[in-house]
Amino acid sequence: DTGVSQDPRHKITKRGQNVTFRCDPISEHNRLYWYRQTLGQGPEFLTYFQNEAQLEKSRLLSDRFSAERPKGSFSTLEIQRTEQGDSAMYLCASSLVTGVTGELFFGEGSRLTVL
Amino acid sequence: AQRVTQPEKLLSVFKGAPVELKCNYSYSGSPELFWYVQYSRQRLQLLLRHISRESIKGFTADLNKGETSFHLKKPFAQEEDSAMYYCAPPVTSGTYKYIFGTGTRLKVLA
Repeated sequence: DTGVSQDPRHKITKRGQNVTFRCDPISEHNRLYWYRQTLGQGPEFLTYFQNEAQLEKSRLLSDRFSAERPKGSFSTLEIQRTEQGDSAMYLCASSLVTGVTGELFFGEGSRLTVL
Repeated sequence: AQRVTQPEKLLSVFKGAPVELKCNYSYSGSPELFWYVQYSRQRLQLLLRHISRESIKGFTADLNKGETSFHLKKPFAQEEDSAMYYCAPPVTSGTYKYIFGTGTRLKVLA
């Protein structure tokens, strides 16, 4: 499968712990996005990368959240000192953009449950 | 702030009936618009994009700049169309994030 892959698929943690999610995009894609989705809502934008540069971060992304894409390939999203409100599905998507916009290819998501 | 509104959380229609899923966006310009779909137990995927003007699985979407709407339509719904549908107009201010609507669940009844 050469699609976007995310790991782990499901993470259960206790409040206050740190968690890290990994996203492997489609290899030739230059843009990578992170979204968060809670029940009954659409995906909420968190941040995106153009190659290794993080170009935009949502105000939803508090200081406890950090994302990296060190070599312009895979990306990690770390949440420090998790809170119950962080429980959500974290979606990664990648895109090959040569003009203005491009189709987003999504991973299956990483579901976080904070107890 | 740019907003995307999908007014119906749930839309139920009978098989063979026409379907219209509404999407309104709050900003002007000439955005490229997308509809994404999520079938049960599958990942979110592109259904169609305005710029290509294709008809995918019988669905079309018309951009109405005056009303800032991008409604998704299909003349005859099929049971396999049951899914979550998300409208996604991208921001055109020089950033390329995509803002999704809250989604509409379409249920096609036999």
